[in-house]
Formats: sequence, structure tokens, C-alpha cells
Amino acid sequence: SQQGEEDPQALSIQEGENATMNCSYKTSINNLQWYRQNSGRGLVHLILIRSNEREKHSGRLRVTLDTSKKSSSLLITASRAADTASYFCATALVYGNNRLAFGKGNQVVVIP
Amino acid sequence: KAGVTQTPRYLIKTRGQQVTLSCSPISGHRSVSWYQQTPGQGLQFLFEYFSETQRNKGNFPGRFSGRQFSNSRSEMNVSTLELGDSALYLCASSLLVSTDTQYFGPGTRLTVL
Repeated sequence: SQQGEEDPQALSIQEGENATMNCSYKTSINNLQWYRQNSGRGLVHLILIRSNEREKHSGRLRVTLDTSKKSSSLLITASRAADTASYFCATALVYGNNRLAFGKGNQVVVIP
Repeated sequence: KAGVTQTPRYLIKTRGQQVTLSCSPISGHRSVSWYQQTPGQGLQFLFEYFSETQRNKGNFPGRFSGRQFSNSRSEMNVSTLELGDSALYLCASSLLVSTDTQYFGPGTRLTVL
């Protein structure tokens, strides 16, 4: 089954810097969502971008979607220590279907 | 509004036993999905329920089952536990059938010894 895949590298940055992570997928999607997870806890929804959208902003988050390349990126600007977490992209294939396919996650460490 | 709640938060079982996990969605949400998270396989979809009906099922053996009640609360059951079932089990709820934001609970950490 289709699955989002983030760049596998862990990211370690200084507080105040920007963090960028990427996600690629294999088939057509209805929407793509980004989630954050702290230390094996529940997932926190960050942002949803639909297949007909190219860019979306939410606070310090910026998500882009390139359906021609089947890829998405998440940018966190002016990072804070509290942004230290694992970030997952998840794709929803079909409208009317809540099944999400998750990538393997990208560990981000923000150093104070 | 209260978020998604899952009980219990932690569970230790032995091989061969069975376990039932519970999920209460956000009030008004009718769709409940379950996911298994392990270090090796990552997050994998188990099943989704809407209005007491299973709408989707992932690629898991029949030992994994679930149900949804009329108040939208959901349970999942794993019978004949195996060591590999040790995982974080996450429940997510969403308002409608359509693919929209899913809100996740804190998860149930199951350890099988």
C-alpha cells in the first residue's frame, strides 16, 4: 500500500533556526497531513493540505505540496526547544476514507 | 471539549492472553480509527469504524478485531497475544466520514511478555 516517506535523517538544530523536512509518496492522494509526536505519546495534528493546494501556513509552520513530484515539505521557522519531537507525514488516498498511511517519521532535536 | 481518551494507558500481558483496549472519541465525532505503532514497522492502520460499522481494515491477522458502540466509543481486541504485538496502540477520531483532521488519543502502551 502507498506510504508517505520522510527523509530519514534526524535533524539537530539550534533554537531560533529553521527546520525543514520532506515527505514523498507514491500514488495520488486526497490530502496530506503532518503530525508531531513527543516521546512516544499521542500524535498532535499540525496541518492538513489538500491535493488542490500548493502551500499552507499555520503559525510558524509552512507546508508545501507538489503533486507532480509527489512530495511535501514542512518548514518550522524560528524553532524552539519545545519543537523537539518526531514529525510524521500521513497521506489520505481517497475522499471519504479516513485511512492514513504514515511515513516513518523524522526526529527533530532543537538545542536551547 | 475533551480530547480523545484511551484506557488503559499501560498494559502488561503474557503470550497467549487476550486484551481489550478502549477509546472514547471527541464528543460528536462518529469515526474512530485504530493504529499500531512499533519501532520496526512504524504507524500502521488497523481499522476504522463509523456508525458502528467497520469501513476499512488494515493488513493485520484476524486476532485483531474491533467494534464501535452506538455512542461512538470503540474497543479493539487482540486475542492470543504474541511478543510482536507489543506496541503503542493509538486511536483517532474525526467528525465525519470524509478525510479530514483526525485527532489522536494518548495511546495505550501494550507490553507482551
